[in-house]
Amino acid sequence: NAGVTQTPKFQVLKTGQSMTLQCAQDMNHEYMSWYRQDPGMGLRLIHYSVGAGITDQGEVPNGYNVSRSTTEDFPLRLLSAAPSQTSVYFCASSYSQDAWETQYFGPGTRLLVL
Amino acid sequence: KQEVTQIPAALSVPEGENLVLNCSFTDSAIYNLQWFRQDPGKGLTSLLLIQSSQREQTSGRLNASLDKSSGRSTLYIAASQPGDSATYLCAVKIRVTFGTGTRLQVTL
Repeated sequence: NAGVTQTPKFQVLKTGQSMTLQCAQDMNHEYMSWYRQDPGMGLRLIHYSVGAGITDQGEVPNGYNVSRSTTEDFPLRLLSAAPSQTSVYFCASSYSQDAWETQYFGPGTRLLVL
Repeated sequence: KQEVTQIPAALSVPEGENLVLNCSFTDSAIYNLQWFRQDPGKGLTSLLLIQSSQREQTSGRLNASLDKSSGRSTLYIAASQPGDSATYLCAVKIRVTFGTGTRLQVTL
């Protein structure tokens, strides 16, 4: 198993540009989530999905969209990037939401918005 | 709203020293607390999970304690090694919250 993979590893955007952060897992996990990590603030939940076709907002969803058309993929879209979205983004998955404690994390995507 | 704080933000210790990392949370109604390790440029790796009914968990040189009443958890690392250098994160899972309920009466 490749586990949780994220692409790209690093991205530079200009304000107003859009982009999609990719996340994929090959463990047949139902629960997937996106976090952002900022200095001094720990990880904050952006969006999550409990299964294909089901998504919901986390703590900081504004400015981000997600979709879950397949069990394997959970892309995160920035519609109009802002400097405040400069952060490190982590995707995670687990067998179910109840199994949150056994989440597998991807290596992260470092995003810089100028 | 649950707030989780870790102090200090950075710590430097000589090899071999025992150390304690602190984690504080504001809402004591937690389901469990988990300690993670994060290496530079990498994702998170789970170290220890403490259920709300437990007071501590141990794994090798690591010992995590939980005091819900005071909203605190500590991660004790014995005989620190250079390989322990990383960022340590704690995370709390809040207990499930029930709705107020709907009383259904089916009439004849």
